[in-house]
Amino acid sequence: EPEVTQTPSHQVTQMGQEVILRCVPISNHLYFYWYRQILGQKVEFLVSFYNNEISEKSEIFDDQFSVERPDGSNFTLKIRSTKLEDSAMYFCASSTGVGETQYFGPGTRLLVL
Amino acid sequence: AQSVTQLDSHVSVSEGTPVLLRCNYSSSYSPSLFWYVQHPNKGLQLLLKYTSAATLVKGINGFEAEFKKSETSFHLTKPSAHMSDAAEYFCVVRDAAGNKLTFGGGTRVLVKP
Repeated sequence: EPEVTQTPSHQVTQMGQEVILRCVPISNHLYFYWYRQILGQKVEFLVSFYNNEISEKSEIFDDQFSVERPDGSNFTLKIRSTKLEDSAMYFCASSTGVGETQYFGPGTRLLVL
Repeated sequence: AQSVTQLDSHVSVSEGTPVLLRCNYSSSYSPSLFWYVQHPNKGLQLLLKYTSAATLVKGINGFEAEFKKSETSFHLTKPSAHMSDAAEYFCVVRDAAGNKLTFGGGTRVLVKP
């Protein structure tokens, strides 16, 4: 069964460093999403992406965040200058269309020191 | 704006006994509702979804949920818990545009032998 994959599973970085989280969505899916879960808090929507552009973003998704689909398979989330409060589990998801089921990856646990 | 409240952060059941996970939602429109499950080191897996068809929804692994508009509830049940049901469960509502998911806080289920 096809599934969403994410790399790395864990990442530790120093405050102020750039990180790139990678996702490989399910191959025939067209919509891509990032969510995050800070420890002890709810899973929160960050951004949705379709046709090589952002279709919706939350207020969390400020200028330090960016997303890209650099090739036909990968979908990335870049955090330009990490802060301590960026420490969280980041989930990628994909779907065939708007309103269709979103399938999630296992997450990347990011720790900013 | 929509929101989801999961009334129990932890539920402990004995193997073979019923499981009830409670969820209440708030939405200004007719919602689409989901239950996802997360096993350790795995992605969020869809258990079932309600999208305005039958109010009693059957999902995978013997789970079902009932949509009650008058109570704004979408509780998840299973008649007989199995050890493999130990996981974290998330109740989720989707926005009217079909893009963004809003998660409840999660319920961690412990199954005792």
